[in-house]
Amino acid sequence: GIQVEQSPPDLILQEGANSTLRCNFSDSVNNLQWFHQNPWGQLINLFYIPSGTKQNGRLSATTVATERYSLLYISSSQTTDSGVYFCAVERPGGSYIPTFGRGTSLIVHP
Amino acid sequence: ETGVTQTPRHLVMGMTNKKSLKCEQHLGHNAMYWYKQSAKKPLELMFVYSLEERVENNSVPSRFSPECPNSSHLFLHLHTLQPEDSALYLCASSQLIDFEQFFGPGTRLTVL
Repeated sequence: GIQVEQSPPDLILQEGANSTLRCNFSDSVNNLQWFHQNPWGQLINLFYIPSGTKQNGRLSATTVATERYSLLYISSSQTTDSGVYFCAVERPGGSYIPTFGRGTSLIVHP
Repeated sequence: ETGVTQTPRHLVMGMTNKKSLKCEQHLGHNAMYWYKQSAKKPLELMFVYSLEERVENNSVPSRFSPECPNSSHLFLHLHTLQPEDSALYLCASSQLIDFEQFFGPGTRLTVL
């Protein structure tokens, strides 16, 4: 099956710093999504981004499908950005079955 | 109510109990998913329902029994669970044509 690798696995930042999270996948994908899981367990949609670049406030994401990776940028990080960031891709073949990476755990200190 | 809701939010049960988790989506989606998230482990996809038919069952033990009576509701029936089944159980929904998934807040289950 498709492999999804996220890096780094853990990240500690000082408030105000910028960061880049990476998601690599082993096969062509039709769909990709980024999530933020807050400390209470809720998974929040950040971006649905099968290709191209999107921005939402301090967050932006870029997916280069031909090179099999996606990047999530967090600028001017805040303590509320803490949590785990997951990317999920749709298995090849249009099955609508997602495969999740293991996540990047982010801690932002005040 | 909007989005995806799950009840109960917390559940403590003994190994001989029978309980059910409920998920409801108000987004007009036609696919629903159950995930298990154990401490320090990635999300594990358990079941997928597409147009109310089960399309995925990732070797989940029979003590977990899903039910999807319609496109808006999804249940997970639990019986004779083990302590290692303690985890956060997450429900999600999507429009098949889009894939983009929306998650509920989860049920934190503790099996004593």
